[in-house]
Amino acid sequence: DADVTQTPRNRITKTGKRIMLECSQTKGHDRMYWYRQDPGLGLRLIYYSFDVKDINKGEISDGYSVSRQAQAKFSLSLESAIPNQTALYFCATSDPSGLAGVAGELFFGEGSRLTVL
Amino acid sequence: DQQVKQNSPSLSVQEGRISILNCDYTNSMFDYFLWYKKYPAEGPTFLISISSIKDKNEDGRFTVFLNKSAKHLSLHIVPSQPGDSAVYFCAASGGTDTGNQFYFGTGTSLTVIP
Repeated sequence: DADVTQTPRNRITKTGKRIMLECSQTKGHDRMYWYRQDPGLGLRLIYYSFDVKDINKGEISDGYSVSRQAQAKFSLSLESAIPNQTALYFCATSDPSGLAGVAGELFFGEGSRLTVL
Repeated sequence: DQQVKQNSPSLSVQEGRISILNCDYTNSMFDYFLWYKKYPAEGPTFLISISSIKDKNEDGRFTVFLNKSAKHLSLHIVPSQPGDSAVYFCAASGGTDTGNQFYFGTGTSLTVIP
């Protein structure tokens, strides 16, 4: 089983719909992130959380919200989806201590492809 | 404004030759750099990293070089193999000086031709 699991893997929705992407991890890491990947733009940070009570906006947080339900769960919501939110979304975790690998290394899920019509 | 740039969207190399992927950054507070590899339908996976106290880090066929004065890093793959065909992202962080965030480049798609 994957250490970082994202659901759904693929989703097609319509403009104006509310969408939630979920992420769960078994790595025991405190830090979790949501990124989106767009062709020609690379990976851009939407939100990040360093523990259950800590939520921070990234570069492109407008139109998104997040919830850190537990250490292992971090969900991303689009309250009213729009077509330019069509992208590949990645959840990631990290362990800044480096005890489980390289300090600062990000561990990514397999991605959630969202299409907004 | 893109703080980490990969100016080559794609690169093709013959099997057995050297692949050189380049990355430039603008923020002088960055002091830790990583390379990730991404296959289609998978998430990026960590490849190699380097901190600003070094100018070279090597791991098997992969070597990363850092030129702090030029704000430039490069990833060398020698010899290149068909399985290396993937998209490569460089990423940078400055720890608390840059909000503990990682900034990614736009990626370079490497094709290794058998």
